[in-house]
Amino acid sequence: AQKVTQAQTEISVVEKEDVTLDCVYETRDTTYYLFWYKQPPSGELVFLIRRNSFDEQNEISGRYSWNFQKSTSSFNFTITASQVVDSAVYFCALSEGDGEANNLFFGTGTRLTVIP
Amino acid sequence: AAGVIQSPRHLIKEKRETATLKCYPIPRHDTVYWYQQGPGQDPQFLISFYEKMQSDKGSIPDRFSAQQFSDYHSELNMSSLELGDSALYFCASAGGGEQFFGPGTRLTVL
Repeated sequence: AQKVTQAQTEISVVEKEDVTLDCVYETRDTTYYLFWYKQPPSGELVFLIRRNSFDEQNEISGRYSWNFQKSTSSFNFTITASQVVDSAVYFCALSEGDGEANNLFFGTGTRLTVIP
Repeated sequence: AAGVIQSPRHLIKEKRETATLKCYPIPRHDTVYWYQQGPGQDPQFLISFYEKMQSDKGSIPDRFSAQQFSDYHSELNMSSLELGDSALYFCASAGGGEQFFGPGTRLTVL
């Protein structure tokens, strides 16, 4: 059965610090997709990234970077030089199978608070 | 760019009442998903539709039903509402790629 674990329930950092959010997943499928979503206090789910199981290349987008390691079943997310606007709940999610848009299984989320 | 539209955005109902939530996917998206997010919880998959047919089913209670119409919009019907149904209900649409989420409908059952 599939499972997504975000062991960090809450993290607080001071503005401009770097922070890494951990995500560990379990799946029996060889083809799957991993996602990160941001949920700010307003409640909407904002898509950040999608990565398929065959692409272990790390990705950087501005202050955001992602480290995908199949050997440890992890897909960690790092925010560099954090800002107050980064304060939100961040969800890691998994979809199984080769369809890019199969339903998502979410982790329990990590609440990030960036202190000015 | 057009996004997923959900209506209403907020809904207050009494116990045992019924509620209907609507979702209008991004144009040309043929797949719709419904998720339920309880307070302080992660979103849980309820049900999905592809080309107007149910494609997958998650933890959707028997009191709930859903369908996708010919114009691809979807409705989630909830009957005999319980206090525990109070949650944020998300609709997402996909057209061969990642899922795009709507803003959600916040349902409060009193």
